Amino acid sequence: ETGVTQSPTHLIKTRGQQVTLRCSSQSGHNTVSWYQQALGQGPQFIFQYYREEENGRGNFPPRFSGLQFPNYSSELNVNALELDDSALYLCASSLGPVYANTGELFFGEGSRLTVL
Amino acid sequence: EDKVVQSPLSLVVHEGDTVTLNCSYEVTNFRSLLWYKQEKKAPTFLFMLTSSGIEKKSGRLSSILDKKELFSILNITATQTGDSAVYLCAAGQNAGNMLTFGGGTRLMVKP
Repeated sequence: ETGVTQSPTHLIKTRGQQVTLRCSSQSGHNTVSWYQQALGQGPQFIFQYYREEENGRGNFPPRFSGLQFPNYSSELNVNALELDDSALYLCASSLGPVYANTGELFFGEGSRLTVL
Repeated sequence: EDKVVQSPLSLVVHEGDTVTLNCSYEVTNFRSLLWYKQEKKAPTFLFMLTSSGIEKKSGRLSSILDKKELFSILNITATQTGDSAVYLCAAGQNAGNMLTFGGGTRLMVKP
């Protein structure tokens, strides 16, 4: 158990809909990173939030957006869902951005999104 | 473009066998190479390597990094059914805040 919690664990949406995924970071962690893991592939970096601001973004379109709240929890929003958005969405927290590519990055169990 | 490639894609062995998983990387401003075990959902951290030639060990698992040839290996000796999982390697960069993951190696250990 890493102390990083995500909700919902599973959800099914249809193409064109919008989805919001939530993440509570480990106590004391102020940085949240989001990754998308398609079936049979490794996780891909979506973006990171630090002190309520986006602090780096991977190769994802603007319909992927996020928020971080004062308590450091975070949301990932995806608009205009496409079939290829079906994946496991992993949230990870760290003590700060410099720890986000070290062994001090802790993953949640993920939210599995299916788009029909 | 930064790239991490793992081989083999999948592997089936019997309990007691020794396995070697491979990871090669091409990452600008390389800082670290990490190994994770993913059984169901959350990847769990195994090792972080930053220096060439220094083996890290944890029980039956060990790993080493070669920064000249840009690869790392993860060895598992005396495999057990509980070792069945996807093993992910990832590279981190200096002044970076993300990990670049490989596609993973799926290991199945049969009794």
